[in-house]
Amino acid sequence: DVKVTQSSRYLVKRTGEKVFLECVQDMDHENMFWYRQDPGLGLRLIYFSYDVKMKEKGDIPEGYSVSREKKERFSLILESASTNQTSMYLCASSLTQPGQETQYFGPGTRLLVL
Amino acid sequence: DQQVKQNSPSLSVQEGRISILNCDYTNSMFDYFLWYKKYPAEGPTFLISISSIKDKNEDGRFTVFLNKSAKHLSLHIVPSQPGDSAVYFCAAKSGYGGATNKLIFGTGTLLAVQP
Repeated sequence: DVKVTQSSRYLVKRTGEKVFLECVQDMDHENMFWYRQDPGLGLRLIYFSYDVKMKEKGDIPEGYSVSREKKERFSLILESASTNQTSMYLCASSLTQPGQETQYFGPGTRLLVL
Repeated sequence: DQQVKQNSPSLSVQEGRISILNCDYTNSMFDYFLWYKKYPAEGPTFLISISSIKDKNEDGRFTVFLNKSAKHLSLHIVPSQPGDSAVYFCAAKSGYGGATNKLIFGTGTLLAVQP
């Protein structure tokens, strides 16, 4: 079974704080992804990585950065948290092989920025 | 520009009946489609997928149909059960490898199955 874990289920931070969200997968997947989910907007891709130290911007990268120093770990960083970054953050991982593109998600981190 | 659209935000169905969830896409380069189910406060879980070389894929109570000419796919759940109540997302991708590995998600449809 693929397991994707996220460092926190719930987080409360103050405006201007630097926030780190960590994601770890145990299936040797090449690809890792960070999404946010907001009501009526579905899942929006923030950043993804298809290899160690590689990163690609998704649809809404502004205000975020990422780090992938090891294959199993992908971190999302909010440099200076703002109230409009209050959301559910979801991490996912996948293989690259054709027919194996399914992304497997972690349980999510609900972030509240006050 | 929304490349994957789920035009019904919600759907209510009686237990035992068929649930049909719809998804439209605009990018003719999409070659792989997936459906995910999401309960509140949990991550999405993979349900079923279909390659563009097929027009139907079935897994137990779940069947996905793909109509490439109409750029439309649908998920059928038969029979529907109260435990199927969740938000359903369709997703699509094109190509393999590198920066093409990302999925494009729709906005989701909330399915409520009434006992």
